Amino acid sequence: GDSVTQMEGPVTLSEEAFLTINCTYTATGYPSLFWYVQYPGEGLQLLLKATKADDKGSNKGFEATYRKETTSFHLEKGSVQVSDSAVYFCALRGTSGTYKYIFGTGTRLKVLA
Amino acid sequence: DTAVSQTPKYLVTQMGNDKSIKCEQNLGHDTMYWYKQDSKKFLKIMFSYNNKELIINETVPNRFSPKSPDKAHLNLHINSLELGDSAVYFCASSPLPSEGQYFGPGTRLTVT
Repeated sequence: GDSVTQMEGPVTLSEEAFLTINCTYTATGYPSLFWYVQYPGEGLQLLLKATKADDKGSNKGFEATYRKETTSFHLEKGSVQVSDSAVYFCALRGTSGTYKYIFGTGTRLKVLA
Repeated sequence: DTAVSQTPKYLVTQMGNDKSIKCEQNLGHDTMYWYKQDSKKFLKIMFSYNNKELIINETVPNRFSPKSPDKAHLNLHINSLELGDSAVYFCASSPLPSEGQYFGPGTRLTVT
């Protein structure tokens, strides 16, 4: 079945450091791919998405590129801020069966001033 | 003008009780979901409705029963609550399949 694998956290960075959170997936066909962010005590917020190979999703300085050849959708940001501290989830929506959304286990990011 | 709202935000109850969580979305989306998030942040889908029709029914105890009175509402009723039901429950809605989901603020359920 479809699955998503994220790098384990927590990830601790200093302010203005470069961020990469790895995400790989297993799915048939061309799933849609997403990154969500969850701040403490809140629900998940859609951060960015990509629906086909080589698409780049971007929002608030975050980027991720849909790589079909490596089945990856890594999240990057050039310069993180303390306010980026949160849990980040990679997810896919499959193209078969019940079209469920499958979420990764989440990666906690902590940015220090 | 909250997009996806849930009530209550916190729910503390004793084992064996029956409780309900309500969800409403004003986005005009056709599809709604219930997720359970455990203490390690793992997110598990429970149910999904599309235009009031149940389309996803994961392996959850039959003590959990969703109800969708109309396209904008999806409620979750839980019978005979157990300690293991303690978690944060999220409602979400989605427009087209490729557009992602919009989540509510969550309901933290604590069973004592």
